[in-house]
Amino acid sequence: AQKVTQAQTEISVVEKEDVTLDCVYETRDTTYYLFWYKQPPSGELVFLIRRNSFDEQNEISGRYSWNFQKSTSSFNFTITASQVVDSAVYFCALSEARRGAQKLVFGQGTRLTINP
Amino acid sequence: DAGVIQSPRHEVTEMGQEVTLRCKPISGHDYLFWYRQTMMRGLELLIYFNNNVPIDDSGMPEDRFSAKMPNASFSTLKIQPSEPRDSAVYFCASSEDRKAFFGQGTRLTVV
Repeated sequence: AQKVTQAQTEISVVEKEDVTLDCVYETRDTTYYLFWYKQPPSGELVFLIRRNSFDEQNEISGRYSWNFQKSTSSFNFTITASQVVDSAVYFCALSEARRGAQKLVFGQGTRLTINP
Repeated sequence: DAGVIQSPRHEVTEMGQEVTLRCKPISGHDYLFWYRQTMMRGLELLIYFNNNVPIDDSGMPEDRFSAKMPNASFSTLKIQPSEPRDSAVYFCASSEDRKAFFGQGTRLTVV
């Protein structure tokens, strides 16, 4: 069975600090996809990134970066120079890569608070 | 594109009543999902469709829950009869190329 663990329930930092959100996953599949979603206070879920298990290159998008390490089954998310608008609940998710298998298995989420 | 549209945004109903949640996916997306979010269980998949056909309904809690997708632009999730433990936020999502985009959710309260 697939499982995603986000051990950090809540994180609180001061604006402009860097912060890393941890994600550890379990799967028996050799190929799979990993995702991060953001849920701001307004409640909707916003897609941030999708990563294929074949691709272990780290990715950077502005202040956001993702570190995928297959050896440790981790897909961590770092926000550099955090801003108040980054305050949200962040979810890591996993899905099979098998054709037609699109179910997302979510972690429990990490509530990030950026204080001014 | 307007994104995934869900209605209603909020629903308060009495135990035993029928509740119908509605979803309009993003045009062109071939997968549609219904997820439920609660404090206790987090985000869990209820059912998903591919090209209007249900693929996996293993997450549907029990026979009180049913979902339909009569065409590519509309889906419903029905609970009959509703119970207080069904109180949650219900999200609809549609996806293309494995990127799922979520609606704003329907907050359901059953009293």
